[in-house]
Amino acid sequence: AQSVTQLDSQVPVFEEAPVELRCNYSSSVSVYLFWYVQYPNQGLQLLLKYLSGSTLVKGINGFEAEFNKSQTSFHLRKPSVHISDTAEYFCAVSPEFGSARQLTFGSGTQLTVLP
Amino acid sequence: DTAVSQTPKYLVTQMGNDKSIKCEQNLGHDTMYWYKQDSKKFLKIMFSYNNKELIINETVPNRFSPKSPDKAHLNLHINSLELGDSAVYFCASSQTTGSNEKLFFGSGTQLSVL
Repeated sequence: AQSVTQLDSQVPVFEEAPVELRCNYSSSVSVYLFWYVQYPNQGLQLLLKYLSGSTLVKGINGFEAEFNKSQTSFHLRKPSVHISDTAEYFCAVSPEFGSARQLTFGSGTQLTVLP
Repeated sequence: DTAVSQTPKYLVTQMGNDKSIKCEQNLGHDTMYWYKQDSKKFLKIMFSYNNKELIINETVPNRFSPKSPDKAHLNLHINSLELGDSAVYFCASSQTTGSNEKLFFGSGTQLSVL
Protein backbone atom coordinates (compact mmCIF):
# COMPACT_ATOMS: atom_id res chain seq x y z
CA ALA A 1 0.00 0.00 0.00
CA GLN A 2 1.13 3.54 -0.58
CA SER A 3 0.03 7.01 0.45
CA VAL A 4 0.76 10.61 -0.38
CA THR A 5 0.68 13.60 1.94
CA GLN A 6 0.61 17.13 0.65
CA LEU A 7 1.43 19.19 3.67
CA ASP A 8 -0.15 22.46 2.57
CA SER A 9 -3.71 22.68 1.33
CA GLN A 10 -3.31 26.31 0.27
CA VAL A 11 -0.24 28.32 -0.70
CA PRO A 12 -0.63 32.01 -1.50
CA VAL A 13 2.39 33.70 -3.07
CA PHE A 14 3.09 36.98 -4.81
CA GLU A 15 3.85 37.11 -8.50
CA GLU A 16 7.54 36.60 -9.39
CA ALA A 17 8.28 35.09 -5.96
CA PRO A 18 9.63 31.54 -5.63
CA VAL A 19 7.36 28.74 -4.46
CA GLU A 20 7.73 25.24 -3.05
CA LEU A 21 4.84 22.80 -2.79
CA ARG A 22 5.60 19.94 -0.45
CA CYS A 23 4.86 16.28 -0.98
CA ASN A 24 5.78 13.26 1.12
CA TYR A 25 4.97 9.68 0.32
CA SER A 26 4.91 6.32 2.03
CA SER A 27 5.39 2.98 0.29
CA SER A 28 6.75 -0.48 1.03
CA VAL A 29 8.15 -0.78 -2.52
CA SER A 30 10.06 1.47 -4.91
CA VAL A 31 7.88 4.07 -6.54
CA TYR A 32 7.37 6.39 -9.45
CA LEU A 33 6.40 9.96 -8.56
CA PHE A 34 4.31 12.50 -10.43
CA TRP A 35 3.04 16.06 -10.20
CA TYR A 36 -0.18 16.97 -11.99
CA VAL A 37 -1.77 20.41 -12.31
CA GLN A 38 -5.47 21.17 -12.54
CA TYR A 39 -6.45 24.60 -13.84
CA PRO A 40 -9.97 25.82 -13.01
CA ASN A 41 -12.69 23.83 -14.73
CA GLN A 42 -10.19 21.59 -16.48
CA GLY A 43 -8.83 18.09 -16.16
CA LEU A 44 -5.42 17.24 -14.75
CA GLN A 45 -2.26 17.66 -16.82
CA LEU A 46 1.10 16.08 -16.12
CA LEU A 47 3.75 18.59 -15.00
CA LEU A 48 6.61 16.16 -14.49
CA LYS A 49 7.46 12.67 -13.33
CA TYR A 50 10.33 10.83 -11.69
CA LEU A 51 10.97 7.29 -12.84
CA SER A 52 14.70 6.79 -12.27
CA GLY A 53 18.08 8.44 -12.73
CA SER A 54 18.72 12.07 -11.81
CA THR A 55 16.80 13.05 -8.71
CA LEU A 56 16.15 16.53 -10.08
CA VAL A 57 13.36 16.44 -12.61
CA LYS A 58 12.41 19.34 -14.85
CA GLY A 59 8.89 19.73 -16.14
CA ILE A 60 6.74 22.08 -18.15
CA ASN A 61 6.14 25.75 -17.38
CA GLY A 62 9.44 26.13 -15.51
CA PHE A 63 8.61 23.73 -12.69
CA GLU A 64 11.05 21.23 -11.24
CA ALA A 65 10.94 18.66 -8.46
CA GLU A 66 13.55 16.82 -6.47
CA PHE A 67 13.23 13.22 -5.37
CA ASN A 68 14.68 12.60 -1.91
CA LYS A 69 14.57 8.92 -1.08
CA SER A 70 15.84 9.24 2.48
CA GLN A 71 13.17 11.80 3.33
CA THR A 72 10.55 10.16 1.09
CA SER A 73 9.78 13.54 -0.43
CA PHE A 74 9.13 14.93 -3.89
CA HIS A 75 8.75 18.69 -3.48
CA LEU A 76 7.78 20.88 -6.42
CA ARG A 77 9.51 24.21 -6.99
CA LYS A 78 9.43 27.18 -9.30
CA PRO A 79 11.86 30.10 -8.95
CA SER A 80 9.43 32.77 -10.15
CA VAL A 81 5.68 32.26 -10.41
CA HIS A 82 3.17 33.93 -12.72
CA ILE A 83 -0.50 34.69 -12.26
CA SER A 84 -1.22 31.92 -14.76
CA ASP A 85 0.29 29.36 -12.37
CA THR A 86 -2.75 29.70 -10.12
CA ALA A 87 -4.16 26.17 -10.00
CA GLU A 88 -4.53 23.03 -7.91
CA TYR A 89 -1.42 20.86 -7.81
CA PHE A 90 -1.53 17.14 -7.11
CA CYS A 91 1.34 14.91 -6.12
CA ALA A 92 0.88 11.24 -6.99
CA VAL A 93 2.73 7.95 -6.52
CA SER A 94 2.56 4.56 -8.16
CA PRO A 95 4.51 1.35 -7.44
CA GLU A 96 7.45 0.59 -9.67
CA PHE A 97 6.53 -2.27 -12.04
CA GLY A 98 2.90 -1.97 -11.01
CA SER A 99 -0.16 -0.73 -12.86
CA ALA A 100 -1.29 2.80 -13.72
CA ARG A 101 -4.55 2.07 -11.93
CA GLN A 102 -2.53 1.93 -8.71
CA LEU A 103 -1.72 5.63 -9.01
CA THR A 104 -2.52 7.29 -5.69
CA PHE A 105 -3.10 11.03 -5.52
CA GLY A 106 -2.52 13.43 -2.66
CA SER A 107 -5.25 15.77 -1.50
CA GLY A 108 -3.94 18.67 -3.57
CA THR A 109 -2.41 22.08 -2.91
CA GLN A 110 -4.15 25.19 -4.15
CA LEU A 111 -1.51 27.62 -5.38
CA THR A 112 -2.79 31.18 -5.62
CA VAL A 113 -0.51 33.74 -7.21
CA LEU A 114 -1.28 37.28 -6.13
CA PRO A 115 -0.50 40.41 -8.17
CA ASP B 1 -8.51 18.46 -31.24
CA THR B 2 -9.31 17.46 -27.67
CA ALA B 3 -7.43 14.32 -26.71
CA VAL B 4 -9.90 13.09 -24.09
CA SER B 5 -13.41 14.51 -24.29
CA GLN B 6 -16.33 13.84 -22.03
CA THR B 7 -19.95 14.97 -22.14
CA PRO B 8 -21.88 16.50 -20.63
CA LYS B 9 -19.81 19.06 -18.75
CA TYR B 10 -22.58 19.64 -16.22
CA LEU B 11 -25.31 17.23 -15.17
CA VAL B 12 -28.05 18.15 -12.71
CA THR B 13 -30.58 15.49 -11.82
CA GLN B 14 -32.94 14.21 -9.17
CA MET B 15 -32.28 11.41 -6.72
CA GLY B 16 -33.29 8.03 -8.06
CA ASN B 17 -32.70 8.87 -11.72
CA ASP B 18 -30.38 6.99 -14.06
CA LYS B 19 -27.78 8.94 -16.02
CA SER B 20 -24.81 8.39 -18.33
CA ILE B 21 -21.58 10.23 -18.98
CA LYS B 22 -19.76 9.67 -22.25
CA CYS B 23 -16.01 9.62 -22.78
CA GLU B 24 -13.97 9.40 -25.96
CA GLN B 25 -10.21 9.49 -26.53
CA ASN B 26 -8.55 10.06 -29.91
CA LEU B 27 -5.03 9.19 -28.76
CA GLY B 28 -5.12 5.53 -29.73
CA HIS B 29 -4.54 4.56 -26.10
CA ASP B 30 -5.16 1.04 -24.84
CA THR B 31 -6.38 1.87 -21.36
CA MET B 32 -9.13 4.12 -20.05
CA TYR B 33 -10.22 5.08 -16.56
CA TRP B 34 -12.91 6.77 -14.56
CA TYR B 35 -12.04 8.85 -11.52
CA LYS B 36 -14.26 10.54 -8.95
CA GLN B 37 -13.19 13.86 -7.41
CA ASP B 38 -15.08 14.79 -4.27
CA SER B 39 -15.80 18.23 -2.85
CA LYS B 40 -12.40 18.24 -1.11
CA LYS B 41 -10.67 17.66 -4.46
CA PHE B 42 -9.65 14.12 -3.46
CA LEU B 43 -9.28 11.92 -6.54
CA LYS B 44 -10.16 8.24 -6.39
CA ILE B 45 -10.06 5.71 -9.18
CA MET B 46 -13.31 3.93 -9.93
CA PHE B 47 -12.53 1.73 -12.94
CA SER B 48 -9.80 0.88 -15.37
CA TYR B 49 -10.50 -0.82 -18.71
CA ASN B 50 -7.92 -2.41 -20.98
CA ASN B 51 -8.50 -4.81 -23.89
CA LYS B 52 -11.92 -5.73 -22.59
CA GLU B 53 -10.54 -6.36 -19.11
CA LEU B 54 -12.41 -4.35 -16.54
CA ILE B 55 -10.93 -3.76 -13.10
CA ILE B 56 -13.29 -2.29 -10.55
CA ASN B 57 -12.30 -0.49 -7.39
CA GLU B 58 -13.95 -2.56 -4.67
CA THR B 59 -15.43 0.52 -2.99
CA VAL B 60 -17.52 1.51 -6.03
CA PRO B 61 -21.23 0.68 -5.64
CA ASN B 62 -22.65 -1.65 -8.26
CA ARG B 63 -25.02 1.15 -9.30
CA PHE B 64 -22.04 2.39 -11.33
CA SER B 65 -21.21 0.49 -14.50
CA PRO B 66 -18.74 1.34 -17.26
CA LYS B 67 -19.48 0.34 -20.83
CA SER B 68 -16.94 0.30 -23.63
CA PRO B 69 -18.32 -0.10 -27.17
CA ASP B 70 -14.78 0.13 -28.55
CA LYS B 71 -11.23 0.97 -27.52
CA ALA B 72 -11.78 4.73 -27.91
CA HIS B 73 -14.87 4.99 -25.71
CA LEU B 74 -15.61 4.29 -22.05
CA ASN B 75 -19.01 5.50 -20.89
CA LEU B 76 -20.18 5.61 -17.30
CA HIS B 77 -23.73 4.62 -16.37
CA ILE B 78 -25.13 5.39 -12.97
CA ASN B 79 -28.41 3.90 -11.73
CA SER B 80 -30.58 5.13 -8.88
CA LEU B 81 -28.55 8.26 -8.22
CA GLU B 82 -27.97 9.27 -4.61
CA LEU B 83 -27.03 12.59 -3.02
CA GLY B 84 -23.56 11.24 -2.25
CA ASP B 85 -22.89 10.69 -5.93
CA SER B 86 -22.54 14.45 -6.40
CA ALA B 87 -18.95 15.02 -7.49
CA VAL B 88 -16.79 15.73 -10.51
CA TYR B 89 -16.15 12.66 -12.63
CA PHE B 90 -13.06 12.49 -14.80
CA CYS B 91 -12.34 10.18 -17.65
CA ALA B 92 -8.67 9.49 -18.41
CA SER B 93 -6.55 7.35 -20.70
CA SER B 94 -3.00 6.05 -20.94
CA GLN B 95 -0.98 4.37 -23.69
CA THR B 96 -0.55 1.17 -21.68
CA THR B 97 -1.29 -0.07 -18.19
CA GLY B 98 2.24 0.54 -16.88
CA SER B 99 2.64 2.43 -13.63
CA ASN B 100 5.14 4.77 -15.30
CA GLU B 101 2.54 5.99 -17.76
CA LYS B 102 1.29 9.56 -18.12
CA LEU B 103 -2.45 9.88 -17.76
CA PHE B 104 -4.44 12.16 -20.05
CA PHE B 105 -7.58 13.55 -18.43
CA GLY B 106 -10.83 14.89 -19.79
CA SER B 107 -12.14 18.20 -18.48
CA GLY B 108 -14.60 16.59 -16.11
CA THR B 109 -18.35 16.26 -15.61
CA GLN B 110 -19.83 18.08 -12.64
CA LEU B 111 -22.68 15.87 -11.39
CA SER B 112 -25.17 17.42 -8.98
CA VAL B 113 -27.83 15.18 -7.48
CA LEU B 114 -30.75 17.07 -5.90
